[in-house]
Amino acid sequence: GAVVSQHPSWVICKSGTSVKIECRSLDFQATTMFWYRQFPKQSLMLMATSNEGSKATYEQGVEKDKFLINHASLTLSTLTVTSAHPEDSSFYICSAPSGGFSYEQYFGPGTRLTVT
Amino acid sequence: AQSVTQLGSHVSVSEGALVLLRCNYSSSVPPYLFWYVQYPNQGLQLLLKYTSAATLVKGINGFEAEFKKSETSFHLTKPSAHMSDAAEYFCAVSPTGGGNKLTFGTGTQLKVEL
Repeated sequence: GAVVSQHPSWVICKSGTSVKIECRSLDFQATTMFWYRQFPKQSLMLMATSNEGSKATYEQGVEKDKFLINHASLTLSTLTVTSAHPEDSSFYICSAPSGGFSYEQYFGPGTRLTVT
Repeated sequence: AQSVTQLGSHVSVSEGALVLLRCNYSSSVPPYLFWYVQYPNQGLQLLLKYTSAATLVKGINGFEAEFKKSETSFHLTKPSAHMSDAAEYFCAVSPTGGGNKLTFGTGTQLKVEL
């Protein structure tokens, strides 16, 4: 099946700094990618839809100036957490639709962000 | 708006016993429905999906689910639990048409005991 990778798999940063997380579709093109956030023992919450060639669409309540999304190419989307604070510590997961009529999404392995 | 409800945040079964994880959806029209499994510190893996074809869907690792419109349910079952099935399971819904964003249930942690 299709593979989605994320980098880094885990990152620790200091409060006030920015962190960039990459999401890549390795063997297929993705004009759309999704970014989710998952708190410990909780479900995934959609943060935003990343669109290649246009601005990302953010879900209600998500600060677009804090979570910058750039869909640089058909295989790469990045999420930058700006001026990170401890409450931004979470598990961030991206996904990409498979396209066609399979209606599937392929998920990356996730990135664990810890802000100290 | 579409939503899914998973009854039971924790389910515990004995190895070899039946696994039943419940999922009910809310939608004005039958949506697409999915079950995903997540192992600790990993992403999600698709177990199976319903996309308006057969109502009984078979997935990987011996899991299956039945779409019941009258009950707005999509419960996940497996006849015989294995220790390796211990994980977090998420039911998700997507608008008909596919490729769209998913709305997840709150998840069910499955524990398999000897």
